[in-house]
Amino acid sequence: DAGVTQSPTHLIKTRGQQVTLRCSPKSGHDTVSWYQQALGQGPQFIFQYYEEEERQRGNFPDRFSGHQFPNYSSELNVNALWLGDSALYLCASSSGGASSYNEQFFGPGTRLTVL
Amino acid sequence: AQRVTQPEKLLSVFKGAPVELKCNYSYSGSPELFWYVQYSRQRLQLLLRHISRESIKGFTADLNKGETSFHLKKPFAQEEDSAMYYCALNPTWDAGNMLTFGGGTRLMVKP
Repeated sequence: DAGVTQSPTHLIKTRGQQVTLRCSPKSGHDTVSWYQQALGQGPQFIFQYYEEEERQRGNFPDRFSGHQFPNYSSELNVNALWLGDSALYLCASSSGGASSYNEQFFGPGTRLTVL
Repeated sequence: AQRVTQPEKLLSVFKGAPVELKCNYSYSGSPELFWYVQYSRQRLQLLLRHISRESIKGFTADLNKGETSFHLKKPFAQEEDSAMYYCALNPTWDAGNMLTFGGGTRLMVKP
């Protein structure tokens, strides 16, 4: 099991563009959470998907949206990119859905640079 | 809203010395607290959580509700402990992984 995988590893975009990041959860996991980690800061919770629905959301604008597919993989979409969106985007997977806590396993992240 | 504060960005100690990484939180309820660790070129991973009361790699952490703290301690630091450490909070035990992280402390253990 490769654990949580994310693609791409690195991405460079310009202001105003849109980006899609992808995540495949660890085998056996059905819940995917996304975090944004700006340089020198801790991860910040964006949202969580379970049963193909957004279950919880952090303090992020509607420009950030997501999707979960029947195979539990997930996408994070960011529209109208601006410089402040430059960060490492982490995906974490767990099992048991959004109503209970099970250990989250993190992926290696996607480094997004907005110029 | 909850907040997690790690006052030290960098902590440097010698091998064999005691280590204490500080974590303070603000939350009105009874949160669940965690320590995550990221070793060089590795992924973020769970080190320990307060409800399990385990000692992992010699590290322990006690939740002090009166002082709203969850400091991470180890009596004798090893060079392999050098890493980035993050304290995190889940609002309630069943809040479903909505973790709030602190800014992190980089621990450097010198030989």
